[in-house]
Amino acid sequence: AQSVTQPDIHITVSEGASLELRCNYSYGATPYLFWYVQSPGQGLQLLLKYFSGDTLVQGIKGFEAEFKRSQSSFNLRKPSVQWRHAAEYFCAVVLLGLPGGSYIPTFGRGTSLIVHP
Amino acid sequence: NAGVTQTPKFRVLKTGQSMTLLCAQDMNHEYMYWYRQDPGMGLRLIHYSVGEGTTAKGEVPDGYNVSRLKKQNFLLGLESAAPSQTSVYFCASATGGEGPYEQYFGPGTRLTVT
Repeated sequence: AQSVTQPDIHITVSEGASLELRCNYSYGATPYLFWYVQSPGQGLQLLLKYFSGDTLVQGIKGFEAEFKRSQSSFNLRKPSVQWRHAAEYFCAVVLLGLPGGSYIPTFGRGTSLIVHP
Repeated sequence: NAGVTQTPKFRVLKTGQSMTLLCAQDMNHEYMYWYRQDPGMGLRLIHYSVGEGTTAKGEVPDGYNVSRLKKQNFLLGLESAAPSQTSVYFCASATGGEGPYEQYFGPGTRLTVT
């Protein structure tokens, strides 16, 4: 069965430190890949997406992610984290070619980022 | 553009009561979704729609019904609320078709069933 794994439930970093959030997927083909952020009490917001082409993609708020086909990974990175980045981060995939032409995004369970001053 | 809006923002129900959650989008999106979010469970898909007049079941559809009579609206109904339906509910929309597939989310509805 298709799945998206975010192995870290919580990550704690100090303000100013770099960040990498992991995401792995299990599909035969390359899916469309997304990272979303959810601030406390809010809905999800798209940070960045990968469809094809350059495997290093830039998103909003200074985030970037790298697609590695050999590792089935799409890890999110931020060079310097601030307290305002404390939030829940979700990785999601869309697998093309589903019957009927529709698609259902599959989400990881999320990683909660805690930022210490 | 307002994007995706949800009504109401908060609601408390007694077991057995019914209610309808309204989701509206002004982006002319074909696809709409209802999710529930519970601690440690991530987002779970309840129902979705790929166009006006169509609906389909997601991962956790039991106890919920939906309707998509107008393209811009997607309603989620609870006919007889149960405490297990206490959750935060999110609506999302997406363009569908050839993409670009990213979802736009509403701010959520926090429902408590006592």
